[in-house]
Amino acid sequence: GAGVSQSPSNKVTEKGKDVELRCDPISGHTALYWYRQSLGQGLEFLIYFQGNSAPDKSGLPSDRFSAERTGGSVSTLTIQRTQQEDSAVYLCASSGRGQDSYNEQFFGPGTRLTVL
Amino acid sequence: GNSVTQMEGPVTLSEEAFLTINCTYTATGYPSLFWYVQYPGEGLQLLLKATKADDKGSNKGFEATYRKETTSFHLEKGSVQVSDSAVYFCALSANSGGSNYKLTFGKGTLLTVNP
Repeated sequence: GAGVSQSPSNKVTEKGKDVELRCDPISGHTALYWYRQSLGQGLEFLIYFQGNSAPDKSGLPSDRFSAERTGGSVSTLTIQRTQQEDSAVYLCASSGRGQDSYNEQFFGPGTRLTVL
Repeated sequence: GNSVTQMEGPVTLSEEAFLTINCTYTATGYPSLFWYVQYPGEGLQLLLKATKADDKGSNKGFEATYRKETTSFHLEKGSVQVSDSAVYFCALSANSGGSNYKLTFGKGTLLTVNP
C-alpha cells in the first residue's frame, strides 16, 4: 500500500515568510509524528498526534512553529516568520495499526526547507 | 531524559569487511530499540528492532542484540556490500504517556563501502 507522503519535497523561502508543510500518513495509522533533521542538531522530535487526544508539542522549538491534524489524517506543520536556522529536512512519520504496533514508525521522504 | 550515543563516523570499509557500529542508550523504564537506515537520496527506513532485553533484531544480514546490562544495541554485519553505504541511526522509544512512542535518535553514522 501507499507509504507516508509529504509535500512539497523542496521549499525555498525568504527569511520572514510563513511556510506550510504537508503530511499524508499511511491509511489507518492513528499516530502521527513530525521530526526535524538538521546538520547541527541531528534528528529531533517536534510534535505528536494521536487520535482526538491533545497533541504532544514538547519538541516544538519556538512559538513560531505549530501543527494541526484535520480529521485524524492529514497534518500540516506551519512555520511563521521563518529564520535561517529553520533550514532543515522536516520528516513526518506514522504508526499504529494495532495496539502492539504503535512503536514502529514509518517515515515519509521529507520536505527540505531552505530559508534564504 | 532519554538519550542515544552512537559511534561517530564516517566509517569506510572494503567490501566483505566486518561492520560494527556501537550504540549505547540512557532511558527510564524499558525502551524499544531500533536501527534506521537512510540510503543516499532516500527516506529513513526501519532496518531492525528489538523490544525487550536479550532480543536480537535482524534484517538484510544485519544484527543487533538488546543488552540491558550494558545499555547497548550495537549493529553488526559479517560481510558488507557496496549497497550498504548509507547513514545508520540508532534510536529508542519509550512510552511517554498514552501511546506516544516518540523516537530519540543518535547522531547517525555514515558508512561508505568501497569495492
